[in-house]
Amino acid sequence: DAMVIQNPRYQVTQFGKPVTLSCSQTLNHNVMYWYQQKSSQAPKLLFHYYDKDFNNEADTPDNFQSRRPNTSFCFLDIRSPGLGDAAMYLCATSRVAVQGEQYFGPGTRLTVT
Amino acid sequence: AQSVTQLDSQVPVFEEAPVELRCNYSSSVSVYLFWYVQYPNQGLQLLLKYLSGSTLVESINGFEAEFNKSQTSFHLRKPSVHISDTAEYFCAVSTLSGGYNKLIFGAGTRLAVHP
Repeated sequence: DAMVIQNPRYQVTQFGKPVTLSCSQTLNHNVMYWYQQKSSQAPKLLFHYYDKDFNNEADTPDNFQSRRPNTSFCFLDIRSPGLGDAAMYLCATSRVAVQGEQYFGPGTRLTVT
Repeated sequence: AQSVTQLDSQVPVFEEAPVELRCNYSSSVSVYLFWYVQYPNQGLQLLLKYLSGSTLVESINGFEAEFNKSQTSFHLRKPSVHISDTAEYFCAVSTLSGGYNKLIFGAGTRLAVHP
């Protein structure tokens, strides 16, 4: 089945230690998104790629970076995680021509110790 | 700017009772509306969507939502809930901006179904 895959599902990192979260998709969608979701809150868009074009949300901290080496893969890098970065990180994809429907992965829950 | 308001943060209900989760949006342009469901420690799953056409849309598991343009609402309903419907439900509006689809989410409604 075509899907969005996130690895790992659970990640523990230390304060200040760089961490990378991974997302892959078999849907061949143009657009890939990264969201941050804190407990009992709505997902918050961090940035997205439209093919190779990177689009950062205005309020996304510089501590968060992303890479998309090819259509299938997208990475979220947190350069120096703080305690406030503990959250669920969701990857999603969409086809440009389809109005709004995004397909989400299962998420990676990040714990910062 | 577009926004989404989910009027209830939590909705407790007994099994087999009907439920309505309310969603209102604000937008100056045509909208596409969605309900997503999130089970604990999982990603979001699309429950149903309104893009155009019939204002009443249905999902495969018994939920339905009605797009009401005059009231700018997209309330989610189910006539008889199950324990397994316990989850967080997010209403979202989509805007096509710069060639991509940006979803604006409501704050979510936690549906708790009790036996």
